[in-house]
Amino acid sequence: NAGVTQTPKFQVLKTGQSMTLQCAQDMNHNSMYWYRQDPGMGLRLIYYSASEGTTDKGEVPNGYNVSRLNKREFSLRLESAAPSQTSVYFCASTYHQGSSFYGYTFGSGTRLTVV
Amino acid sequence: AQKITQTQPGMFVQEKEAVTLDCTYDTSDPSYGLFWYKQPSSGEMIFLIYQGSYDQQNATEGRYSLNFQKARKSANLVISASQLGDSAMYFCAMRWGGGSNYKLTFGKGTLLTVNP
Repeated sequence: NAGVTQTPKFQVLKTGQSMTLQCAQDMNHNSMYWYRQDPGMGLRLIYYSASEGTTDKGEVPNGYNVSRLNKREFSLRLESAAPSQTSVYFCASTYHQGSSFYGYTFGSGTRLTVV
Repeated sequence: AQKITQTQPGMFVQEKEAVTLDCTYDTSDPSYGLFWYKQPSSGEMIFLIYQGSYDQQNATEGRYSLNFQKARKSANLVISASQLGDSAMYFCAMRWGGGSNYKLTFGKGTLLTVNP
């Protein structure tokens, strides 16, 4: 089925470990986003990629890096995980051309616990 | 700075009654879009309804309608004839930006509980 695929779905890390969250979409979308969701905080934008080859910081980028590997894939890396990065991470994508766009599609999320 | 405010952390409604979830936004951009998403306990984000800033009429999608008051910068979600399955977290969000750079900013959400 077409959509946004996130891997893994669950992960437990020890403080200081590194890991990469993967996101892939097969809808030919040009923009991709990484959010984190914490209780009572809604979804906050970590990084986004407006198009292949570009990435920009969002609201809460500290402690994260991203790579737009190609048009389909946008990965989020935690170089040295901290307990404050315990959260649910969502990847999203959309296609837009000028001011027109075609809605956002979200992945099912990755639940990350840092102990 | 662009901001979405949802002032109701939790709401209760009786089954079959209507409920309004509040959302106000802050932006100086003339072009923007407003969304409502539903997040059930299973965690997925479900798109409900969209309103563009230049749309003249309020958006409707089945039992969902968006009460868009541009001058007051409000975009309230109205759910008519509530069902038990409507119990979930609801997020208001705003698409903003320009050129090829658009972001989607979310409010903190409202937890809706539908009572039988």
